[in-house]
Amino acid sequence: EDQVTQSPEALRLQEGESSSLNCSYTVSGLRGLFWYRQDPGKGPEFLFTLYSAGEEKEKERLKATLTKKESFLHITAPKPEDSATYLCAVRKLSFGAGTTVTVRA
Amino acid sequence: NAGVTQTPKFQVLKTGQSMTLQCAQDMNHNSMYWYRQDPGMGLRLIYYSASEGTTDKGEVPNGYNVSRLNKREFSLRLESAAPSQTSVYFCASRVGQGAGGNQPQHFGDGTRLSIL
Repeated sequence: EDQVTQSPEALRLQEGESSSLNCSYTVSGLRGLFWYRQDPGKGPEFLFTLYSAGEEKEKERLKATLTKKESFLHITAPKPEDSATYLCAVRKLSFGAGTTVTVRA
Repeated sequence: NAGVTQTPKFQVLKTGQSMTLQCAQDMNHNSMYWYRQDPGMGLRLIYYSASEGTTDKGEVPNGYNVSRLNKREFSLRLESAAPSQTSVYFCASRVGQGAGGNQPQHFGDGTRLSIL
């Protein structure tokens, strides 16, 4: 059975203070690990897909990396508009509970 | 381009009432999904339709039924609502066929359902 665990549950950052979110997973036959962003009152919005260990993807201040057991979402010099809940998922059907990021100006 | 549209956005029901949540996508996607999201629980799959004409149970199907009306529409029905079904319900679609795959899902903005 696929399992996805995200940590921490919540992260409060000062603007410009870089940090990382963790997504650990157990799955037989990884066919992709996915990161989504969810704003309050909205549905999740796709960010990245990672397929194999060592792969990295970047978008603005976000960088996602993948190992055989976990993925990290690095937020570099965050801005208040990066405040959201970040979800990871494997094979589209198993989601973690998310990390809620709050960036203060 | 509307993407995935869910109706209604909000609903309050009494215990025992029935209701159908509607979902439509205009992206010509093959697979569609229904999730519920509860605090601290993440998104949990209720039912999915891997292609037009097929439906399958997900992680938490009890108390729900679904209909894939055509390629565009996928509805979720609560036959006899219970307080434990109070949640935010999300519909999603994906271009590929099958339960999972390597294309991203596109989500609607959810239906907030309260059952008293």
